[in-house]
Amino acid sequence: GAGVSQSPSNKVTEKGKDVELRCDPISGHTALYWYRQSLGQGLEFLIYFQGNSAPDKSGLPSDRFSAERTGGSVSTLTIQRTQQEDSAVYLCASSRTSGAAGELFFGEGSRLTVL
Amino acid sequence: AQSVSQHNHHVILSEAASLELGCNYSYGGTVNLFWYVQYPGQHLQLLLKYFSGDPLVKGIKGFEAEFIKSKFSFNLRKPSVQWSDTAEYFCAVFFSYNTDKLIFGTGTRLQVFP
Repeated sequence: GAGVSQSPSNKVTEKGKDVELRCDPISGHTALYWYRQSLGQGLEFLIYFQGNSAPDKSGLPSDRFSAERTGGSVSTLTIQRTQQEDSAVYLCASSRTSGAAGELFFGEGSRLTVL
Repeated sequence: AQSVSQHNHHVILSEAASLELGCNYSYGGTVNLFWYVQYPGQHLQLLLKYFSGDPLVKGIKGFEAEFIKSKFSFNLRKPSVQWSDTAEYFCAVFFSYNTDKLIFGTGTRLQVFP
């Protein structure tokens, strides 16, 4: 597609349930990023992929969070045993090149609400 | 650890007023600098970027930013704001020793009243 596509756009879940968030980057973009946007907190870096590998997982908040990317394209962010503090907008971005030289293109985000 | 600071959390202006939003970062080495904007209900998009060369960079919609290395700053400016500039503005930095991670500031919410 023309832009970064994320699904679902909205997800309401109960505390303790697992959720999966999907990101479909711009075709041909090798780098893929996940960020979390909370009110008043700005954008918190979660994880970065170059191709299928994740050189930097340092931003994942806990071991309940995991992400994978297959075929150098679609990525899935999984949150297990969700907690209320996981409520946020999860943003995905992709870039043509690795890191510094690249402009990031963002998706619309997936808004997660944990009741 | 590297960090990006935006000291103005919420700015309210009237149309035609001048704007300056502050951005400071914590590292003295080579950086790549960005300002992103998020209009209400829309996704984040790039406003302007600095990699090297002229420290005064111009972006879309009349925005500009100046890189001052000695002050570790990359402030965003616009001489005369419009109601349509109402949005949230994020400063972001790639640090040269960790080139694959774009670090964002906490954002500045700008409201422009007609």
